[in-house]
Amino acid sequence: KNQVEQSPQSLIILEGKNCTLQCNYTVSPFSNLRWYKQDTGRGPVSLTIMTFSENTKSNRRYTATLDADTKQSSLHITASQLSDSASYICVVNRYLGRLYFGRGTQLTVWP
Amino acid sequence: GAGVSQSPRYKVAKRGQDVALRCDPISGHVSLFWYQQALGQGPEFLTYFQNEAQLDKSGLPSDRFFAERPEGSVSTLKIQRTQQEDSAVYLCASSLRLFEDLVVNEQFFGPGTRLTVL
Repeated sequence: KNQVEQSPQSLIILEGKNCTLQCNYTVSPFSNLRWYKQDTGRGPVSLTIMTFSENTKSNRRYTATLDADTKQSSLHITASQLSDSASYICVVNRYLGRLYFGRGTQLTVWP
Repeated sequence: GAGVSQSPRYKVAKRGQDVALRCDPISGHVSLFWYQQALGQGPEFLTYFQNEAQLDKSGLPSDRFFAERPEGSVSTLKIQRTQQEDSAVYLCASSLRLFEDLVVNEQFFGPGTRLTVL
């Protein structure tokens, strides 16, 4: 069964701190993995897209890693800001198939 | 704006009522997707269009759900005889290329329509 599991379900950190979100997947065959940020009341917005051959990818304060062998990915956020408060969703694209979404990690950044 | 738009943003329906949700994709985008997102969950795939052709409707939960994209642009998701379990946010996304394109295909999401069935 094609699944995407994320942890933790929710996370609270103080402004300026770093955090790491985890994603495990069983989607096969694998095409690419995406991390989306979804603010409350809005649609998801893409942060990074990683293909099979990419191990790490950075976008400003976001760094995503991918281990295609163990089928794990992480999203690291550095120097968190209040505006980082959102749901972060891991999405895996099956090869020549559709997207499979995790439930998301709800991140809250406190001042 | 140049993004995906959806209307209405909020819809309250009485159980048994029919509803129609509209999606305006980004101009020129070939692929259009509908997703259902329950509270606290990630989006779940409903259906996919390539231009006007509905190529995959395997995610539609029942025959009360119907989607169309008659001219390959605007799409409508219709839910007949709504039930309380239909309450969710319905997201629409579009992408420029064909779904089967081997190049990584970015999907752009609309803000969603929040449907509440009383």
